[in-house]
Amino acid sequence: GAVVSQHPSRVICKSGTSVKIECRSLDFQATTMFWYRQFPKKSLMLMATSNEGSKATYEQGVEKDKFLINHASLTLSTLTVTSAHPEDSSFYICSARDQGRDTEAFFGQGTRLTVV
Amino acid sequence: QKEVEQNSGPLSVPEGAIASLNCTYSDRGSQSFFWYRQYSGKSPELIMSIYSNGDKEDGRFTAQLNKASQYVSLLIRDSQPSDSATYLCAVRRGGTASKLTFGTGTRLQVTL
Repeated sequence: GAVVSQHPSRVICKSGTSVKIECRSLDFQATTMFWYRQFPKKSLMLMATSNEGSKATYEQGVEKDKFLINHASLTLSTLTVTSAHPEDSSFYICSARDQGRDTEAFFGQGTRLTVV
Repeated sequence: QKEVEQNSGPLSVPEGAIASLNCTYSDRGSQSFFWYRQYSGKSPELIMSIYSNGDKEDGRFTAQLNKASQYVSLLIRDSQPSDSATYLCAVRRGGTASKLTFGTGTRLQVTL
């Protein structure tokens, strides 16, 4: 099946620094990738939809200047958490859709971000 | 009213029994329905998708959809301890490029 690789799996950073999370589709091209955030014992909340070659579409309440999304190629999307604060600590998950097979999106392994 | 509602559980069933997980949704325009399994600290894994009313079976799993009642369920037969996880219901209004809306999940515990 299709593989979506997300890196890093865990990261600890200091308040005020920025963290970049990568999401790669390894064996297919993904024109659309989705970024989610999940707090403990809560469901996945969609943050933004990332489209290759264009600006991401952010969900209501998500600060686009804080959560920078870049989808520069058909196999890579990045999420940068800028000026991170402890309340940004969460599990961030990406998913990617195989446009060629029009299948459902596959999830990456997730990134556990802890801001200290 | 939440868009997708699930009982948070935990739902405890003995090994070998049938586990029944339920989900209701508010958007009548929803077209696609999914069940994901999520182990603690891991990302969700797609178990079943269902698009039309009725039942859909895949191995030990059966998804049931009733659009008139805005209800979707997942039955797990012959439950195993390895089935212990959180099960997320998700719905989608449009095509595959559209976003998924998730419920908060039901935690299932299969006891020995």
